[in-house]
Amino acid sequence: GQQVMQIPQYQHVQEGEDFTTYCNSSTTLSNIQWYKQRPGGHPVFLIQLVKSGEVKKQKRLTFQFGEAKKNSSLHITATQTTDVGTYFCAGDTGKLIFGQGTTLQVKP
Amino acid sequence: DGGITQSPKYLFRKEGQNVTLSCEQNLNHDAMYWYRQDPGQGLRLIYYSQIVNDFQKGDIAEGYSVSREKKESFPLTVTSAQKNPTAFYLCASSMTETGLEPQHFGDGTRLSIL
Repeated sequence: GQQVMQIPQYQHVQEGEDFTTYCNSSTTLSNIQWYKQRPGGHPVFLIQLVKSGEVKKQKRLTFQFGEAKKNSSLHITATQTTDVGTYFCAGDTGKLIFGQGTTLQVKP
Repeated sequence: DGGITQSPKYLFRKEGQNVTLSCEQNLNHDAMYWYRQDPGQGLRLIYYSQIVNDFQKGDIAEGYSVSREKKESFPLTVTSAQKNPTAFYLCASSMTETGLEPQHFGDGTRLSIL
């Protein structure tokens, strides 16, 4: 079936280090969304990418959508303790399919 | 403030018991969803509804049932047929059912077995 795979599953970084999570789909996506879930919280929508090769930035966060619209990445520059949580991608294949998420831990 | 309200926050189920999780939204959204979240796993879709009086099975619908009698409400019943119900349940809504719309989530209900 259609799948959206996300790696890594966990990442521990020292505060100030960069972090990247990758999302790959077995099929071409119409668009991709990214969500953040803080510990004990619920997923919150961050951004949506629609166009092939699209790059969007939100402060220290950079989101990319691959040229083939089958992969995406989220890069955080100079992580802070407020960045901790689980980051999910969700690909639109006609319906939204969520990746397994990458849980980020930041050591102060 | 517009949003999604899930209740209760914590729920305990006895063997052989059906329990119902509540989800209400005042965002005037047409589409609503139920997800199950287990540790280390992503969100798995249980049921979704595009419009009142209509709903579709998701990837893991067995042992669950839903209704959509009002636009604002999409309750989920975890039946005794669901043998492993312990999980975090999230309700979400979006303006329409297309994948172009972001989903808004409630705070979740944590269900455990007694």
